[in-house]
Amino acid sequence: KAGVTQTPRYLIKTRGQQVTLSCSPISGHRSVSWYQQTPGQGLQFLFEYFSETQRNKGNFPGRFSGRQFSNSRSEMNVSTLELGDSALYLCASSLAKGSTEAFFGQGTRLTVV
Amino acid sequence: GENVEQHPSTLSVQEGDSAVIKCTYSDSASNYFPWYKQELGKRPQLIIDIRSNVGEKKDQRIAVTLNKTAKHFSLHITETQPEDSAVYFCAATSGGYQKVTFGTGTKLQVIP
Repeated sequence: KAGVTQTPRYLIKTRGQQVTLSCSPISGHRSVSWYQQTPGQGLQFLFEYFSETQRNKGNFPGRFSGRQFSNSRSEMNVSTLELGDSALYLCASSLAKGSTEAFFGQGTRLTVV
Repeated sequence: GENVEQHPSTLSVQEGDSAVIKCTYSDSASNYFPWYKQELGKRPQLIIDIRSNVGEKKDQRIAVTLNKTAKHFSLHITETQPEDSAVYFCAATSGGYQKVTFGTGTKLQVIP
């Protein structure tokens, strides 16, 4: 079966712009989590969605938001981009029945100039 | 909230030697502890996991141990090979809400 798909793979934006990233989970997975990965900070949890509801949220400013659709696909949005938002954004999907393995997408590499 | 600390941040071993990576967690409610391997330019992938009702789990050259009392868990790789070179992340998950907290990662280099 198809894995987790993230689009686009690469993105270059200018400071002040906004960006929307997309994540399609594995079929049947209802939980989607988003992470920001930077060389110095590792994997930082952004938020997690389950059945269109945000269940968990990390310590990121309100410029970072997300949503999940009825087909479990998820989007995250970053408004008023800053240079420090340059990172690899990973999403992961899981069955979410208790604690289960999370499968990661390839990520979207965002560069803010 | 949960806090996961991981050590060391970098580790170099000779091929054939063993490698050990250690993590501690703060939330006693955490009950699932996965380990992910991320090769350069690739996505993290699960290599082994352990649940809080088990003290040790082994899969070929990889093993994980969990000490719930001390709130620490470790990854052991024996007979290391060059293809084991990657960044390894530990994580702790609490409850059924899939809130996963990752450690900061260990860059393992296996020298041929």
